[in-house]
Amino acid sequence: NAGVMQNPRHLVRRRGQEARLRCSPMKGHSHVYWYRQLPEEGLKFMVYLQKENIIDESGMPKERFSAEFPKEGPSILRIQQVVRGDSAAYFCASSPPNRFNTGELFFGEGSRLTVL
Amino acid sequence: ILNVEQSPQSLHVQEGDSTNFTCSFPSSNFYALHWYRWETAKSPEALFVMTLNGDEKKKGRISATLNTKEGYSYLYIKGSQPEDSATYLCALTNTGFQKLVFGTGTRLLVSP
Repeated sequence: NAGVMQNPRHLVRRRGQEARLRCSPMKGHSHVYWYRQLPEEGLKFMVYLQKENIIDESGMPKERFSAEFPKEGPSILRIQQVVRGDSAAYFCASSPPNRFNTGELFFGEGSRLTVL
Repeated sequence: ILNVEQSPQSLHVQEGDSTNFTCSFPSSNFYALHWYRWETAKSPEALFVMTLNGDEKKKGRISATLNTKEGYSYLYIKGSQPEDSATYLCALTNTGFQKLVFGTGTRLLVSP
C-alpha cells in the first residue's frame, strides 16, 4: 500500500530551464496539495487540486508556476524559466474524497529542487 | 489570512524530561487544528486533528489540548525519548479542509 510518491527526489536545473515535479497520490485519494519549503522557513501552501480541477491556487506565484492533476496519471508541478529563488523542497500531499476526509493530509517525502 | 505561530522555535531536552510546545492562532473562524510530526529526511505525519474547544487527544506519551476561544493548542510529550526528536508542526484548516496553513514548527532534540 504505497504512500504518496514524489519524483524526482532531487532535481538540479540551471537558470532558465524548466522543472517538472511529479506526485502520485495514495490509492483512493482524489485531492492533491502542493507545498513549498524554502530554506529556514515552514511549509507554505501553493495549490490544491482535485482530478482535472484546480480548487485553490492562492499560494501559487502568478508567473512561471503551474499545476495540473489530470484524469489519468500523476499531478505535475511545473516551473518554467527557473531562478535561484525557486530552490526549495516541494512537498505533495493527498487526502481521500470528501466523504472520507478527516482533514488529515498524507505527505510525500518531497522533491528538492536546486537551481544553479 | 490565517496566521499560525509556534513557540519555542527549538528545544533541547534530556531523555526522560517532559516538555510542551505552544501553537497560537486566530480564534475567529476556527475550523480544525492539526499537529504533525516531521522527522528529518522523512515526510510529515499526522498526530492529531482537533475541532472542538476543550478537545484533548492522546497517543502514547504525546497528548494535545485545544482552546479555540483564546486561540491556542499545547502539545505535551511525557518522558521524552531520543526517538521523539523531530519538528512538530501545527496547522490550521479552513472550512471543508481545503487547505492547511502551517506554523514554522518547533524543532525538538532529545539527548540520551
